[in-house]
Amino acid sequence: EDKVVQSPLSLVVHEGDTVTLNCSYEVTNFRSLLWYKQEKKAPTFLFMLTSSGIEKKSGRLSSILDKKELFSILNITATQTGDSAVYLCAAGGTSYGKLTFGQGTILTVHP
Amino acid sequence: EPEVTQTPSHQVTQMGQEVILRCVPISNHLYFYWYRQILGQKVEFLVSFYNNEISEKSEIFDDQFSVERPDGSNFTLKIRSTKLEDSAMYFCASSVRGNQGYNEQFFGPGTRLTVL
Repeated sequence: EDKVVQSPLSLVVHEGDTVTLNCSYEVTNFRSLLWYKQEKKAPTFLFMLTSSGIEKKSGRLSSILDKKELFSILNITATQTGDSAVYLCAAGGTSYGKLTFGQGTILTVHP
Repeated sequence: EPEVTQTPSHQVTQMGQEVILRCVPISNHLYFYWYRQILGQKVEFLVSFYNNEISEKSEIFDDQFSVERPDGSNFTLKIRSTKLEDSAMYFCASSVRGNQGYNEQFFGPGTRLTVL
């Protein structure tokens, strides 16, 4: 059975801190690892990673994939209160688009 | 920026009733999905749909569930006889590609289904 596990489950930091969110996966015929930010409702797409060792960056957010260790991290530098959200990791295999989600990391950024 | 839309935002129904949840995927996307999230739990895959047929479905997607693309824009999820445990947030998603796993999926805002 495909499985995605995220850690920590929750994290409380102050504005300006840097955070690292972790995601490990076991997915048959793994092809892609996706990160989403979920605020009130819909998961909002952040990154899709398919190759090991290549960092993807968007502003203060960055992510990298390690296909040997079956692991990805999401880094957020200089956190702001607007970064408070649930961050979801999901993995896709060669099936027809099915994504397997982790349980999410709840990030709370205090001013 | 194009986005996935869903209606209604909240649906309340009595157990045993049929509900239809509606989605309009992003216009040039070819692959469509339904997921659900029971309060406090993980987002779970229900079904994927391509070329007017189901590509894959999970164990959750039993005979009570069906999907349809009735026209060129809408994508619907029907639950024939709702149960209390069907209460959840239902998300529609779409992607340009779907097979081979290289699929950036974009999610709609969800429909909260409450079964009484």
